[in-house]
Amino acid sequence: KQEVTQIPAALSVPEGENLVLNCSFTDSAIYNLQWFRQDPGKGLTSLLLIQSSQREQTSGRLNASLDKSSGRSTLYIAASQPGDSATYLCAVLMYSGGGADGLTFGKGTHLIIQP
Amino acid sequence: DVKVTQSSRYLVKRTGEKVFLECVQDMDHENMFWYRQDPGLGLRLIYFSYDVKMKEKGDIPEGYSVSREKKERFSLILESASTNQTSMYLCASSSGPSSYEQYFGPGTRLTVT
Repeated sequence: KQEVTQIPAALSVPEGENLVLNCSFTDSAIYNLQWFRQDPGKGLTSLLLIQSSQREQTSGRLNASLDKSSGRSTLYIAASQPGDSATYLCAVLMYSGGGADGLTFGKGTHLIIQP
Repeated sequence: DVKVTQSSRYLVKRTGEKVFLECVQDMDHENMFWYRQDPGLGLRLIYFSYDVKMKEKGDIPEGYSVSREKKERFSLILESASTNQTSMYLCASSSGPSSYEQYFGPGTRLTVT
């Protein structure tokens, strides 16, 4: 059974710093990996999707990498801003072969950017 | 932009009531999903559907059923609500097989008293 772990569980850094969030998964036979952002009491916003054949994806100040063989992904946030404060979730998709399957989520990293 | 909407942001129901949570997506996606999110447990998959009238059990289907009569709409049904079903419920949709990127709705915070 796939398990996804995110480290650290919480992180507080001053504004302007670059930071890295980590995600690891136990079964490397994934179809893709998604990073999400969740603000308190809200739904999930998709940030980046990395297909299993890709090594990284970039969107603005965000860069996500994937090392499928070692079961790891990182989300790099450059020049952090107070508006980046949120919980960041990593999730993997296992392709069942008969159609799409549900995502398996990590428990998230709660990020606070201090002004 | 993909839009996934859920019928209620907040819902309060009594134990034993039948509860319907509705989800609608506007991007003609084949796949739709229901998750629940609880502190310390994270998001867990309840049910999903990859086509109209098709459904598959997720990790925690007990106490729930689903209905998908139209492609854009996926309903989660609590046949007899219990207090341990108090949770945040999140609906998602995706298209395949090009990416299967999942898009989420705003969530429904259900309280069962």
